[in-house]
Amino acid sequence: GNSVTQMEGPVTLSEEAFLTINCTYTATGYPSLFWYVQYPGEGLQLLLKATKADDKGSNKGFEATYRKETTSFHLEKGSVQVSDSAVYFCALYPGGGATNKLIFGTGTLLAVQP
Amino acid sequence: GAVVSQHPSRVICKSGTSVKIECRSLDFQATTMFWYRQFPKQSLMLMATSNEGSKATYEQGVEKDKFLINHASLTLSTLTVTSAHPEDSSFYICSAGSPGQGTEAFFGQGTRLTVV
Repeated sequence: GNSVTQMEGPVTLSEEAFLTINCTYTATGYPSLFWYVQYPGEGLQLLLKATKADDKGSNKGFEATYRKETTSFHLEKGSVQVSDSAVYFCALYPGGGATNKLIFGTGTLLAVQP
Repeated sequence: GAVVSQHPSRVICKSGTSVKIECRSLDFQATTMFWYRQFPKQSLMLMATSNEGSKATYEQGVEKDKFLINHASLTLSTLTVTSAHPEDSSFYICSAGSPGQGTEAFFGQGTRLTVV
């Protein structure tokens, strides 16, 4: 089946530290991969995406590369800010027309301290 | 990106009453909307897929008589929590659009339901 596994949080970093949030997936076909961000008290926003192997999604200093060989889509940022504190969700869309549903990981809480 | 508006953002209700939450796609038509419930420690649970003009498709374990979903138009889906109890207190989020429909998934801002 299709599933997403994210590293458990919370992840606590100091401002300007390097961030990695691991995400691996299981999929039967050729999925599209996404990172969503949820700020406190809000819904989810698309942060970045990649639709095929070796694609790199990037936005707001965050980036993630679709690695088919390791079935991973790890989120990275070189220098985090306090304003990056949020919950980050990795997700996949299986494709193939069988479903419209996104498959989400459990989310990782990031807390950045000044 | 497209805008999905959810209303109300917060609601407090008494145990035994019903609460309706609206999800509107403001600038596009959504044949499919999704309703999620978010539990403590942030995990999202897909409750149901709301299909315009037809019955919703509920995920396993979700009580369809308790969580009534209506998708009467291409821009509006509603979730009604019937006979609410304290254990229904949660953060409910809707989304519209899907990669399967050639769009992103756009999320509402969520509704914090507290049942007292």
